[in-house]
Amino acid sequence: TQLLEQSPQFLSIQEGENLTVYCNSSSVFSSLQWYRQEPGEGPVLLVTVVTGGEVKKLKRLTFQFGDARKDSSLHITAAQPGDTGLYLCAGSPKTSYDKVIFGPGTSLSVIP
Amino acid sequence: DVKVTQSSRYLVKRTGEKVFLECVQDMDHENMFWYRQDPGLGLRLIYFSYDVKMKEKGDIPEGYSVSREKKERFSLILESASTNQTSMYLCASRGGRGPYEQYFGPGTRLTVT
Repeated sequence: TQLLEQSPQFLSIQEGENLTVYCNSSSVFSSLQWYRQEPGEGPVLLVTVVTGGEVKKLKRLTFQFGDARKDSSLHITAAQPGDTGLYLCAGSPKTSYDKVIFGPGTSLSVIP
Repeated sequence: DVKVTQSSRYLVKRTGEKVFLECVQDMDHENMFWYRQDPGLGLRLIYFSYDVKMKEKGDIPEGYSVSREKKERFSLILESASTNQTSMYLCASRGGRGPYEQYFGPGTRLTVT
């Protein structure tokens, strides 16, 4: 069974702090996406990474795909209350190109 | 921008009722998906479709069926709603095949009493 694990499950921080959330698997993924979901809404795509070692930046968010394409991280610098939400990673396994697997998510709360 | 719309944001139905959830996308995407999302369980794939009139079972198809008569529309049907189908239902679409991004609708919060 191909699984994506995310850690931590819950995170509550003060505005202005930095944080990192992780997405890990024992399987190799051909690509990996990060989504943010606000309460009562559908997930919104933030980024896709496809190359091992790739780093992408989106304003204060930095995404990294592991060299072996089995893991990814999301780093937020100077978190703001607007960053609050559920962060989901999703990947397409190398052995099952069309399939997309979602992790359980990291619930982030940024306190003003 | 891709837009995926769902027919209802909130729905309350009684046990045994037949329930229709509709999803429409405006980007001519071939692929459409239905998920349910429950706390602690994440997103679970119910059904998906690669083309008109084509459907494939996902991980949890029991108690559900789907219909795709037009490319832009993908419907999820609960033949006889049960309380364990109370959940957030999310529709998504994706262009092409392979590791492309999915675009989600706003979700339908279904409560079965």
